[in-house]
Amino acid sequence: EVQLLESGGGLVQPGGSLRLSCAASGFTFSTYAMSWVRQAPGKGLEWVSTIEDSGDSTYYADSVKGRFTISRDSSTNTLYLQMNSLRAEDTAEYYCAKSRVAAAGVGAFDLWGQGTMVTVSS
Amino acid sequence: EIVLTQSPATLSLSPGERATLSCRASQSVNSYLAWYQQKPGQAPRLLIYDASNRATGIPARFSGSGSGTDFTFTISSLEPEDFAVYYCQQRNYWPITFGQGTRLEIK
Repeated sequence: EVQLLESGGGLVQPGGSLRLSCAASGFTFSTYAMSWVRQAPGKGLEWVSTIEDSGDSTYYADSVKGRFTISRDSSTNTLYLQMNSLRAEDTAEYYCAKSRVAAAGVGAFDLWGQGTMVTVSS
Repeated sequence: EIVLTQSPATLSLSPGERATLSCRASQSVNSYLAWYQQKPGQAPRLLIYDASNRATGIPARFSGSGSGTDFTFTISSLEPEDFAVYYCQQRNYWPITFGQGTRLEIK
């Protein structure tokens, strides 16, 4: 079955760290750009970060640049998001998403995980 | 940053009616625009990519058009399951951006 399964969310204090994981299955993970998109409670969608299929290029929203790091492990078909220096405004549901076309940079997101909730609060 | 402005913010219609949603970009995004549907408690679902192409498994009542800065998303005849929030998204420039969403509600 083609799917993405996120994990690693939870409650963390401001200034803390968290690492999210996204386990991919049912497709050739190494050939697709992968992304993280978040959604604060009751709000719209916000793109966070993308990593190209090779892992050589990464892109970040200004709101997380310097604090978050995206990475991937094609041996385990897993996408990661390391989140440091967390702030209250990082509180959101975090989704991983797959680009539609293989080996073609970032595309429309045709497969989404179910999301993992991150709450930053003291 | 490309700003995507969706209108209207809320659209109240009845099943069987036609829904027309708009997405306007602050500068040209060529045809690199997608539309997503999101229902409460669910992840978004891709409906339309590259402005006018239906994603796999998407019914023909959903369609998209436009290029450059002005885009339209249409549901030809609303089914009960179509009432949800719809987002447009551009991928022509970094950062990738989403519109603020249009809530399609039952009248």
